[in-house]
Order: sequence, then structure tokens, then C-alpha cells
Amino acid sequence: AQSVAQPEDQVKVAEGNPLTVKCTYSVSGNPYLFWYVQYPNRGLQFLLKYITGDNLVKGSYGFEAEFNKSQTSFHLKKPSALVSDSALYFCAVRVNTGRRALTFGSGTRLQVQP
Amino acid sequence: DGGITQSPKYLFRKEGQNVTLSCEQNLNHDAMYWYRQDPGQGLRLIYYSQIVNDFQKGDIAEGYSVSREKKESFPLTVTSAQKNPTAFYLCASSSTGGNTISTDTQYFGPGTRLTVL
Repeated sequence: AQSVAQPEDQVKVAEGNPLTVKCTYSVSGNPYLFWYVQYPNRGLQFLLKYITGDNLVKGSYGFEAEFNKSQTSFHLKKPSALVSDSALYFCAVRVNTGRRALTFGSGTRLQVQP
Repeated sequence: DGGITQSPKYLFRKEGQNVTLSCEQNLNHDAMYWYRQDPGQGLRLIYYSQIVNDFQKGDIAEGYSVSREKKESFPLTVTSAQKNPTAFYLCASSSTGGNTISTDTQYFGPGTRLTVL
């Protein structure tokens, strides 16, 4: 079985400050890890993905994520937050064999304050 | 939201009614998925299809049915057996070949909000 945990329901940061949204995972096998963002009443937008290789993955809108195998974590980061980054963020995982569907975390609401 | 469309945007269902949600993609993706989103619970997989004429139950398939007669289309029927269908429904698709950044990356439609009256 595979699972994803996002331990924080909400994260608040001031505009211009760095942000981190946490994600830990549990899989049997090598993981594929994803981050998505959702704005109100919209579908999910893909931000970035880890397959293999470099532990630091760069994605859309200045976001990046760091894969840490020993801590089974894949935290989303951005050096300088914007008010427009305020949204709901989802981490997702699948193993590289078997069922291709993703398992999603419960989501973290990011609020960037002006 | 890419090349995936969902209709209608809002849907109202009376007790005992079956309703069908539409999902169409023009991305030439083999795989398609249906998720249900409830507040505070993230996304839960209802059904998925990795190829035409084949589909598999997800984690919460009871009370739902699907078909995959065409590569572009993956409609979801919410039957009267689904006791609590009020939710936001999301369709997604992905390519399945190779091992690139695009493989298995799911692209989502804009969603359908279903409300039971």
C-alpha cells in the first residue's frame, strides 16, 4: 500500500518570505512524487514531479521540491512567496510498478499575507 | 486545465436519480481517472482506465459506474446506490509510455460540482 501525509492543514507566510509545505510518503518500491496546486473551484494544476536523479526538482512558478529518501519526504519550497501563491497544495505518490493511479495527501492550504 | 473538459460545471440530483458526468480529453492519453474531492479529505480515486474498453475500481467505487468505449471519453455515472454523492468530481488523464516527465503526470479537468437536493 502507498500513502502520503501532509501534516499541516494550513501554512501562513508573509509575502517575500520563503515558504515550505511538508509532505512525507510511504511506499513499497521506488516512488514517483508529485506536487499539484488547486485554486478555488478549479481542477488541479501540475507543479513538479520527482522520478529519479537529482534530489532537488524545479517546477512551475518558481517552486521546487527536495526529495529525501532517508526521511521519506518531498517538501515543496519557494524562496520568496507571493500573495498569488495562496491556494490548496496537494502532494501525491505512486510506485513505479503496478497501479498507475496516484495517491493524494489531504492537502495544505497556503495563505500568503501581504 | 489543459485539453480536458468536464460537463456540466454544476449538477443537481434528486433522490433516487442516476446522473452522468462527462469527461473528454484531446491529449491522446491512454489513461483516464475519476476522483472525488470532499473538504479536508483530499482526492479519492473512484475508477480508472489504462486503455480503451478496460477499467478498474478505485478505492471508493461503490455506487458509481464508468465506461471507456472511446480513448477520448470516460463518463462517470453516479447511481442512486451512492448514498452521499454531494462532492466535487475531478477527471484526469495521463500518458503511460516511456519514462519522461510527462509519463504518468495527470492533467486535470475543471471539475463538476454535484449537489443532491
